[in-house]
Amino acid sequence: ELKVEQNPLFLSMQEGKNYTIYCNYSTTSDRLYWYRQDPGKSLESLFVLLSNGAVKQEGRLMASLDTKARLSTLHITAAVHDLSATYFCAVNDSGTYKYIFGTGTRLKVLA
Amino acid sequence: GAVVSQHPSWVICKSGTSVKIECRSLDFQATTMFWYRQFPKQSLMLMATSNEGSKATYEQGVEKDKFLINHASLTLSTLTVTSAHPEDSSFYICSTKRSGRGNEQFFGPGTRLTVL
Repeated sequence: ELKVEQNPLFLSMQEGKNYTIYCNYSTTSDRLYWYRQDPGKSLESLFVLLSNGAVKQEGRLMASLDTKARLSTLHITAAVHDLSATYFCAVNDSGTYKYIFGTGTRLKVLA
Repeated sequence: GAVVSQHPSWVICKSGTSVKIECRSLDFQATTMFWYRQFPKQSLMLMATSNEGSKATYEQGVEKDKFLINHASLTLSTLTVTSAHPEDSSFYICSTKRSGRGNEQFFGPGTRLTVL
């Protein structure tokens, strides 16, 4: 059974600082997705990672995928208050179309 | 991306009543849609996979007789919560799957259900 864990669960950081969120999964998969969720809202797609070694960047966020280590990272550079949200990774369960979501990381960027 | 709508965006109902939530794929025909449930401060949990023209596939622990799913057309799937109870209060989110692009799912805006 595929399990997906994120850490940390909560993250409070100062503006301007850098930090990394980790997403570990338990079985083979080569498709991983990152989403942002604001309070009371649905999911906003951030990154689609489809192969080992994939790296994508958008603004202050950069995501990478290491399928051998079963690990994805979401790196935040010079955080700003607008990045405050909950971030989820989701892994495609191999052989199916299903997503298994990570536990989520609630990020709060302090001004 | 893809455009997915849900209706209603929020609903309040009395315990014991049934509530229907609609999920529409607005810009492509979706043979497969998914229904998720999210309790406060928790992650999304897949409830079922909705297949056009056939029965939905439910995840373990989800009561198929309580959460009725109908996917009668390529653009519409409905989730009916029957005999709702306060513990069914949650945020329900649907998604559509588009072939290609790594089978990426596109999520609707969600429906917040409150059962009194």
